[in-house]
Amino acid sequence: DQQVKQNSPSLSVQEGRISILNCDYTNSMFDYFLWYKKYPAEGPTFLISISSIKDKNEDGRFTVFLNKSAKHLSLHIVPSQPGDSAVYFCAAFNGSGQKLVFGQGTRLTINP
Amino acid sequence: NAGVMQNPRHLVRRRGQEARLRCSPMKGHSHVYWYRQLPEEGLKFMVYLQKENIIDESGMPKERFSAEFPKEGPSILRIQQVVRGDSAAYFCASSPWGGHEQYFGPGTRLTVT
Repeated sequence: DQQVKQNSPSLSVQEGRISILNCDYTNSMFDYFLWYKKYPAEGPTFLISISSIKDKNEDGRFTVFLNKSAKHLSLHIVPSQPGDSAVYFCAAFNGSGQKLVFGQGTRLTINP
Repeated sequence: NAGVMQNPRHLVRRRGQEARLRCSPMKGHSHVYWYRQLPEEGLKFMVYLQKENIIDESGMPKERFSAEFPKEGPSILRIQQVVRGDSAAYFCASSPWGGHEQYFGPGTRLTVT
């Protein structure tokens, strides 16, 4: 049962444009969401997070939007840079536990 | 300001051998988590530990797998009598008390031949 889903396995974006990565979840108990970036042969790197009491969180080029009614969140990267090429994972957990539930990941490629 | 450290980075074991994976959390972090990533999949939670306590092991296979986080020293994930299906990347993460964000180590890539 995949509680966190990233339906796009890959995404290709032109350098300088906006990258939008999407994530859907099914468990209404999730109350905190995180995005991680992963390069090959490295561990995931924390990017940005959002609590369910908010609908937007911004950090530099990265913005995460949360739509609780749709159980959907998205990560916007603008402007996209070649170094952003990586696999991006959406993750969630609920307040009663500490285990992160991950999506399958989306491979983002930024083309020069 | 060292991050989460894991060793070894690569581990090759023959079927039936034991694998020991080590994780040292970030300084000041008292919570340790282990995750497994199979090829082309997301990370799957295995176990959550605090010093000398297993808090949640709901993701651990019932047999052959164990984890500990002793008072002194790194956290250890032990896999006994490895099988080919155990081949995966094993990631450790840590967080401070009360923190939501988990910070990951570089992972140990286990290959069972």
